[in-house]
Amino acid sequence: DVKVTQSSRYLVKRTGEKVFLECVQDMDHENMFWYRQDPGLGLRLIYFSYDVKMKEKGDIPEGYSVSREKKERFSLILESASTNQTSMYLCASSLSYGNTEAFFGQGTRLTVV
Amino acid sequence: RKEVEQDPGPFNVPEGATVAFNCTYSNSASQSFFWYRQDCRKEPKLLMSVYSSGNEDGRFTAQLNRASQYISLLIRDSKLSDSATYLCAVKRRTGGFKTIFGAGTRLFVKA
Repeated sequence: DVKVTQSSRYLVKRTGEKVFLECVQDMDHENMFWYRQDPGLGLRLIYFSYDVKMKEKGDIPEGYSVSREKKERFSLILESASTNQTSMYLCASSLSYGNTEAFFGQGTRLTVV
Repeated sequence: RKEVEQDPGPFNVPEGATVAFNCTYSNSASQSFFWYRQDCRKEPKLLMSVYSSGNEDGRFTAQLNRASQYISLLIRDSKLSDSATYLCAVKRRTGGFKTIFGAGTRLFVKA
């Protein structure tokens, strides 16, 4: 059974803290993604990675960075958390070729206070 | 302009109704197309892929119009359990293969 696992379901952090969100997939997928989901705005792509150490910016990369040192793990880093980064964060992975879908983790609800 | 656009709804329909959602995409290099379903407080899950010739899965029919750059989802004989948010998604190559989602269309099916 395919699996994408995010390290936390709920997280509360203080403004200015450095925050790490971790995601692991066990499907040997090349692509991994970080999205944030906000009411009325849908799923917005923050960053994605198509190979180890390879990354591309999505639509809203400001205030975030990512790390992919191993194929199965993709980390999202909030360098200095701010209240406008309070959101649901979803990690996903997919194969590259063809009509192959993305599989999602269960999401991390991050609250920055 | 967003790369993938959907009518956010909500669509409120009675059980047994037929409902259609449309989604437009702006990048003609988009290669693959999908509909996902997201239940409240859950992650999105694939409902169906969309093929060039159109495809059907039970009560669900998906169509692709590459010339006009839109995809559609038709749900026939709506059930209460169809209540969810439906997200369209496109996949295209940049350095890797990027999947971009629309904001989703909310569907409420009522008894």
